[in-house]
Amino acid sequence: QQQVRQSSQSLTVWEGETAILNCSYENSAFDYFPWYQQFPGEGPALLIAIRSVSDKKEDGRFTIFFNKREKNLSLHIKDSQPGDSATYFCAASGGSALGRLHFGAGTQLIVIP
Amino acid sequence: GPKVLQIPSHQIIDMGQMVTLNCDPVSNHLYFYWYKQILGQQMEFLVNFYNGKVMEKSKLFKDQFSVERPDGSYFTLKIQPTALEDSAVYFCASSFLGGDEQYFGPGTRLTVL
Repeated sequence: QQQVRQSSQSLTVWEGETAILNCSYENSAFDYFPWYQQFPGEGPALLIAIRSVSDKKEDGRFTIFFNKREKNLSLHIKDSQPGDSATYFCAASGGSALGRLHFGAGTQLIVIP
Repeated sequence: GPKVLQIPSHQIIDMGQMVTLNCDPVSNHLYFYWYKQILGQQMEFLVNFYNGKVMEKSKLFKDQFSVERPDGSYFTLKIQPTALEDSAVYFCASSFLGGDEQYFGPGTRLTVL
């Protein structure tokens, strides 16, 4: 059973638009939700993260909206740039202090100039 | 951000041989992880390691797998013997605390023939 789900395998937006990537999870014990950005041939890079005590986290053009009741979250990328084209992974951990991350399958974002 | 290094970037070996994947984690980090990513699939947790001990492992962490970090040197993943299904990209990650941000290396692509 997949613990973390990303609803779209891919998403295409025009440059300047806001890209919205969605994620949902099963385990109510999850309390930490990082988003990772991965370019082909590279490792995942931590982009932004939120803890379940918050419902919003903003860092520059990137914002996470978190809904604990619905067990879902979304990553908004404002003013999308072609350089944002990458695969974005939603992940979750919690329930123990050991930090095991459960990853979604990823959403490939394509930003068209 | 903080850098995790992995050596080698690629490794090709024959089935049944032993392989050791090396990871140089962020210098002050205390928790270390290995994840496995098969091409086109999501990242799967293998194991985490703290204070010289395996703290948690998944069912993917077979008996043929072992991890160690002797005297603060590389954090290693050893597979002995290898099987065809071990072909994947293996990512090392580290964090300061167990529930903290994890930083990933660029991965080692392992091909078992």
